Amino acid sequence: DGGITQSPKYLFRKEGQNVTLSCEQNLNHDAMYWYRQDPGQGLRLIYYSQIVNDFQKGDIAEGYSVSREKKESFPLTVTSAQKNPTAFYLCASSIGGYGNNQPQHFGDGTRLSIL
Amino acid sequence: AQSVTQPDIHITVSEGASLELRCNYSYGATPYLFWYVQSPGQGLQLLLKYFSGDTLVQGIKGFEAEFKRSQSSFNLRKPSVHWSDAAEYFCAVGGGQAGTALIFGKGTTLSVSS
Repeated sequence: DGGITQSPKYLFRKEGQNVTLSCEQNLNHDAMYWYRQDPGQGLRLIYYSQIVNDFQKGDIAEGYSVSREKKESFPLTVTSAQKNPTAFYLCASSIGGYGNNQPQHFGDGTRLSIL
Repeated sequence: AQSVTQPDIHITVSEGASLELRCNYSYGATPYLFWYVQSPGQGLQLLLKYFSGDTLVQGIKGFEAEFKRSQSSFNLRKPSVHWSDAAEYFCAVGGGQAGTALIFGKGTTLSVSS
């Protein structure tokens, strides 16, 4: 079955450490997204990519970085510059390269915590 | 700019009772509207979507939603709630500037009492 796989499900970060969250999709979708979810805040967009080798900052990109070298993969790196990284991170994908009128399909998330 | 407001942070409904979750959007043209559901520790699952045409749309799990342009609303309804419907529900709007992402509301948590 097609879907989005996020790994790991739980991740712990030490102070000053960069960590990378994996997101892989086999839906043949062009667009991929990363959201951060905190209690009572809903989903906040970190980065999105409409096509391979291209991505744009979302509302809260500071302290994060991404790459899109393959259509199937959109890893998110939480850098040491992100001072409050503890959150639930969701990856999503959608059909089509441009326009935001398509439903997004979500992975099951990665919960990141600080040690 | 597009925006989505879900006025109710938390709602409790008795099992078997009807449900209505509110969603108001701000958008200049005809929006594309979505409802998602999220169980604890899980990703979001699409319940239903509205693109055009009939303003009453049917979704999965017995949910429906009605688009009311005059009220800028897209409320989610279910005639009889089951305990398994307890979850967080998100409304989202799209259709704006090319190359942008959906805008999500902050969510409504549904509790179901027996």
